[in-house]
Amino acid sequence: GAGVSQSPSNKVTEKGKDVELRCDPISGHTALYWYRQSLGQGLEFLIYFQGNSAPDKSGLPSDRFSAERTGGSVSTLTIQRTQQEDSAVYLCASSGGLAGGSYEQYFGPGTRLTVT
Amino acid sequence: GNSVTQMEGPVTLSEEAFLTINCTYTATGYPSLFWYVQYPGEGLQLLLKATKADDKGSNKGFEATYRKETTSFHLEKGSVQVSDSAVYFCALSDRGAAGNKLTFGGGTRVLVKP
Repeated sequence: GAGVSQSPSNKVTEKGKDVELRCDPISGHTALYWYRQSLGQGLEFLIYFQGNSAPDKSGLPSDRFSAERTGGSVSTLTIQRTQQEDSAVYLCASSGGLAGGSYEQYFGPGTRLTVT
Repeated sequence: GNSVTQMEGPVTLSEEAFLTINCTYTATGYPSLFWYVQYPGEGLQLLLKATKADDKGSNKGFEATYRKETTSFHLEKGSVQVSDSAVYFCALSDRGAAGNKLTFGGGTRVLVKP
């Protein structure tokens, strides 16, 4: 079956521009997560959605970062006024479980963002 | 807060050698523990998991045992192959927290030479 998909796979943008990254989770998965993988910081959690609500936004590094999820499915991560330190691979994962379980997270291939 | 520490790489070894990657954790609740693997050019894949103390996770010849007394989850494989060359990440999710967000270690790059 279809896995988690992300688009675009690569994005090069100029400093100061806004970018939108998209995640299509596995159909039926209620939980969706965004992570960031960078050379300096490793793999970091950004935000968690359960359905359309985001009970945990604790990993968003600044107010330039925001995310939404509509219809309990597709999610968009938006970075405003991009900075060079935003360059990283942005990973999306989904799982079928609720909080308190140990349900496996399935990861997408990531979006490589380069800010020049 | 939660944290995961794993041995730094790169780890270089010959085919059929024994592999150990050490992982220790700090958590406030009762975490589930995971090993994820990232093969060259591919996305993160779950390799194995353990949800409670003394559980052993295993997959593809890899094993790891959840040791609560030493807060460890070391990954082992008895005979590695060239195809095991990848970056390995130890991770935990704290079931007491909202959601099951993963806290990752820094990753260990493993290179297996023929």
